[in-house]
Amino acid sequence: ILNVEQSPQSLHVQEGDSTNFTCSFPSSNFYALHWYRWETAKSPEALFVMTLNGDEKKKGRISATLNTKEGYSYLYIKGSQPEDSATYLCALHGSSNTGKLIFGQGTTLQVKP
Amino acid sequence: DADVTQTPRNRITKTGKRIMLECSQTKGHDRMYWYRQDPGLGLRLIYYSFDVKDINKGEISDGYSVSRQAQAKFSLSLESAIPNQTALYFCATSDATGTSGRGTQYFGPGTRLLVL
Repeated sequence: ILNVEQSPQSLHVQEGDSTNFTCSFPSSNFYALHWYRWETAKSPEALFVMTLNGDEKKKGRISATLNTKEGYSYLYIKGSQPEDSATYLCALHGSSNTGKLIFGQGTTLQVKP
Repeated sequence: DADVTQTPRNRITKTGKRIMLECSQTKGHDRMYWYRQDPGLGLRLIYYSFDVKDINKGEISDGYSVSRQAQAKFSLSLESAIPNQTALYFCATSDATGTSGRGTQYFGPGTRLLVL
């Protein structure tokens, strides 16, 4: 069974702080890594899909990097704003689980004004 | 209008009752999924379907069944609901094709189910 771990489980930062969190996955079983943003009372929304070692993707103040050899991805938020408060989910599409994603438990970010 | 809709949005039922959660999509995607979310556990896959004639079990299919009535519709049934099926249920579609893992998943608004 594939295991996708996210850390920390929760995070509180002040407005303006930059922050980052981690998604770890089995490096031997990698096909694609997805990041989703899930605001309370809304649906999870896709941020990035990453497939290549060394990939770096950016959307506004949010960026992500991928290391498939060591099995981790970092999500960075630069200059956090209260509207960034959400749960950030990563999900692995492993080579052994065609067509389906294994989600981590999420990192819940709270940005205080 | 939302591309992925779920009905009902909230449901309270009693142990032993049969209930159905419905999902419809207007995105034209072949792939559809049902997940449940429990606090601290992330999203866990219940069932998924790659087309109308394809149904696959996910991690936690026991106690659930599904029906893919059409490309646009994917229903989840709890044949005899039990309290530990109390959770938030999400339907999703994916624009991936073949064995590609690169497709993005698009989630419905969720159905909050309480089994008493």
